[in-house]
Amino acid sequence: EVQLVESGGGLVQPGGSLRLSCAASGFTLSTYSMNWVRQAPGKGLEWVSYIGSSSSPIYYADSVKGRFTISRDSAKNSLYLQMHSLRAEDTALYYCARGAELDCWGQGTLVTVSS
Amino acid sequence: QSVLTQPPSASGTPGQRVTMSCSGSSSNIGTNTVDWYQQLPGTAPKLLIYIDNQRPSGVPDRFFGARSGTSASLAISGLQSEDEADYYCAAWDVSLNGWVFGGGTKLTVL
Repeated sequence: EVQLVESGGGLVQPGGSLRLSCAASGFTLSTYSMNWVRQAPGKGLEWVSYIGSSSSPIYYADSVKGRFTISRDSAKNSLYLQMHSLRAEDTALYYCARGAELDCWGQGTLVTVSS
Repeated sequence: QSVLTQPPSASGTPGQRVTMSCSGSSSNIGTNTVDWYQQLPGTAPKLLIYIDNQRPSGVPDRFFGARSGTSASLAISGLQSEDEADYYCAAWDVSLNGWVFGGGTKLTVL
């Protein structure tokens, strides 16, 4: 079964850092482009970052550029999102989503930025 | 403020046909295909329509997508209570180099 499982979310103070992980099973993650998409509580979907199948190209939303870094590890069949300088407005459920059509989504991991 | 514009709500009675719109620009819908996602309450989004009008395996043919110019639409025929959900359109934006989403349309089955 094709599955994505996110982890690493939690409560962090403004200015803090977190590293999110997305573990893939049922398929080889390195053969797909991947994305992070977030959803603030009660709000719509917001794309965060994209990484190509060969780790290139990489793109970021303006709202996270310079603070977030997307990466992947083929050996671990995993995707990552390193987040620094977190702000209250980064509070959201973070999903990883597969491919050019976002055809598979994980269940999300909740990031709460608050003092 | 979402890059793609969707009406915030839509409604219909069981068996009816409902249509929801998604408006963009030349840098997204005018250039690239549109995907639609269904998000049932408390769950992750699910791909409903891709490349404008293609249905993934398992999606019933009651769901139909279309694109023209800088707009797209999603039609649902034979409305069922389980169709009550939030629906999002999305497209790749060549100016932003990223996915852009609509704000979502909340469908209520009366």
